[in-house]
Amino acid sequence: GENVEQHPSTLSVQEGDSAVIKCTYSDSASNYFPWYKQELGKRPQLIIDIRSNVGEKKDQRIAVTLNKTAKHFSLHITETQPEDSAVYFCAVRGGNYKLTFGKGTLLTVNP
Amino acid sequence: IAGITQAPTSQILAAGRRMTLRCTQDMRHNAMYWYRQDLGLGLRLIHYSNTAGTTGKGEVPDGYSVSRANTDDFPLTLASAVPSQTSVYFCASSSDRNTEAFFGQGTRLTVV
Repeated sequence: GENVEQHPSTLSVQEGDSAVIKCTYSDSASNYFPWYKQELGKRPQLIIDIRSNVGEKKDQRIAVTLNKTAKHFSLHITETQPEDSAVYFCAVRGGNYKLTFGKGTLLTVNP
Repeated sequence: IAGITQAPTSQILAAGRRMTLRCTQDMRHNAMYWYRQDLGLGLRLIHYSNTAGTTGKGEVPDGYSVSRANTDDFPLTLASAVPSQTSVYFCASSSDRNTEAFFGQGTRLTVV
């Protein structure tokens, strides 16, 4: 089955700095790569996604890059703010409907 | 309001008891999922369904069963609960392979 590795498990940055979270996956047939943000006690919510025919996607301060050859993708958050503090999950969907998540990254933005 | 709803929101259950967690969506999504979330382990897929009438096993299916009799409902059953099934359970749904999965609010289950 699909194996998704996410790094780092914790990340602490100063407000205004950038944060980068990386994920690797094993199934070369995977074609959909979403990122979710989960605040304490809340449900995960999509923040950005990318499909296999695109190398990069940006939405304001958030961007995702995908390298299908190397089977890895990354989340980039620029100009971080305290409200960006949360757990972030990458996920991968393969040829079937299975959606497999990484173990998450706890991001702390220090004011 | 359209969305995905789970019930109950929390439950304390005696070990050995049978329990069904309910999940209903009104978005006419084809795919539905059940995950458990444990600290440090992320979201682990228990079972999923591509469409009504079909189900598949995820990473951690043992001790759980599901059914998908119709598009809207995807109940998760613990036949005989054990303490290791203490977790937060999330149901999710998506319309197809390349679109967002929406999550329910979660069910916090404690097995004692």
